[in-house]
Amino acid sequence: NAGVMQNPRHLVRRRGQEARLRCSPMKGHSHVYWYRQLPEEGLKFMVYLQKENIIDESGMPKERFSAEFPKEGPSILRIQQVVRGDSAAYFCASSQEWDSPLHFGNGTRLTVT
Amino acid sequence: LAKTTQPISMDSYEGQEVNITCSHNNIATNDYITWYQQFPSQGPRFIIQGYKTKVTNEVASLFIPADRKSSTLSLPRVSLSDTAVYYCLVGKFSGGYNKLIFGAGTRLAVHP
Repeated sequence: NAGVMQNPRHLVRRRGQEARLRCSPMKGHSHVYWYRQLPEEGLKFMVYLQKENIIDESGMPKERFSAEFPKEGPSILRIQQVVRGDSAAYFCASSQEWDSPLHFGNGTRLTVT
Repeated sequence: LAKTTQPISMDSYEGQEVNITCSHNNIATNDYITWYQQFPSQGPRFIIQGYKTKVTNEVASLFIPADRKSSTLSLPRVSLSDTAVYYCLVGKFSGGYNKLIFGAGTRLAVHP
């Protein structure tokens, strides 16, 4: 059973471009979480989704950021018109049940030049 | 959500037992205590979770006193590969999901 898969592992974008980060949860997991981590800091919660529904997006900036978890396919975190401050590692996690431990992917490192 | 406080860093040597204590004075009745481990360039990895008293698995033990205002992660006989950041989290199962808030964690360095 493969773990949480994130791609790409590294993504470089120029200011103003769009970044699309993909996350395939573990098989059988319908709960997906996105976190952002700046260097030398802990992870910051961004959004929680449960198949086609956004349950909690309280940690996500209201502008330029969006997330989805379609019925078929991976979860997508989309950042429009990226700025240098968006440079960070973005981690996705999934869980089988709402109260199960989270399993994290190895992240996508976004660099905005 | 309960805030956690843990040491910023710790040093140890191979073969020693390491105890990392976390305080969470405002823990709520339905909060669980969870520990994660993170290596550089990797996502956090679940270590152990508990509610009260003692929990043990193949990797670590978790000690939680009766008042639950603190908890101690115990790593027996550490090796160099245990060098990582360890996060103590108080997860609140509110609204039907596991919302974890990460602090800065404890950077453990294991020396030969």
